[in-house]
Amino acid sequence: ETGVTQTPRHLVMGMTNKKSLKCEQHLGHNAMYWYKQSAKKPLELMFVYNFKEQTENNSVPSRFSPECPNSSHLFLHLHTLQPEDSALYLCASSQEEGGSSIQPQHFGDGTRLSIL
Amino acid sequence: AQTVTQSQPEMSVQEAETVTLSCTYDTSESDYYLFWYKQPPSRQMILVIRQEAYKQQNATENRFSVNFQKAAKSFSLKISDSQLGDAAMYFCAYSTLLQGGSEKLVFGKGTKLTVNP
Repeated sequence: ETGVTQTPRHLVMGMTNKKSLKCEQHLGHNAMYWYKQSAKKPLELMFVYNFKEQTENNSVPSRFSPECPNSSHLFLHLHTLQPEDSALYLCASSQEEGGSSIQPQHFGDGTRLSIL
Repeated sequence: AQTVTQSQPEMSVQEAETVTLSCTYDTSESDYYLFWYKQPPSRQMILVIRQEAYKQQNATENRFSVNFQKAAKSFSLKISDSQLGDAAMYFCAYSTLLQGGSEKLVFGKGTKLTVNP
């Protein structure tokens, strides 16, 4: 049982479609993250939200649009994607405590996205 | 920029034996964290073990232990008494704090571990 839930588990969409990925964390954490995992490449950090404020946009194309309405929910809105955007999209959360302390991130099962 | 290198794309081990997965990293910072994550076919990334750079003592979690060599920027994972359930992709990750106070994880490409019965 994971404390981070992602839906849908699989998504197939055309390049002109608009869809959204959803992430919900049940751990009471205050920071949430989107990662992209492509075959044979390291996980790439896309976005970071801390206390609902976006603190990091790792040079992600504008066809990916994140939304964090509260500290428990995170969305990734998709629009006019390209075939190279096919990947596993992982959501994670952590408790940021300030100072120099780093807490481990907890991950969801990911959404497998295929662009036709 | 920080980088993490896992030089072994694949490893295999016999059940009940010991295996060591390699990881090196590059950073100019003195204070950071290192993690090993496991990703089974179910896809969920699961934390295996963590190490704080300012601690000289190697972290241990049951059958999992690390060999942390800060000067060499090396962080290997040793799995003792390997079990079939240990089969997975293993990712080494470096963690640092961003300006906004959030954490940034930098991952290696992963090592696929096969456990043979």
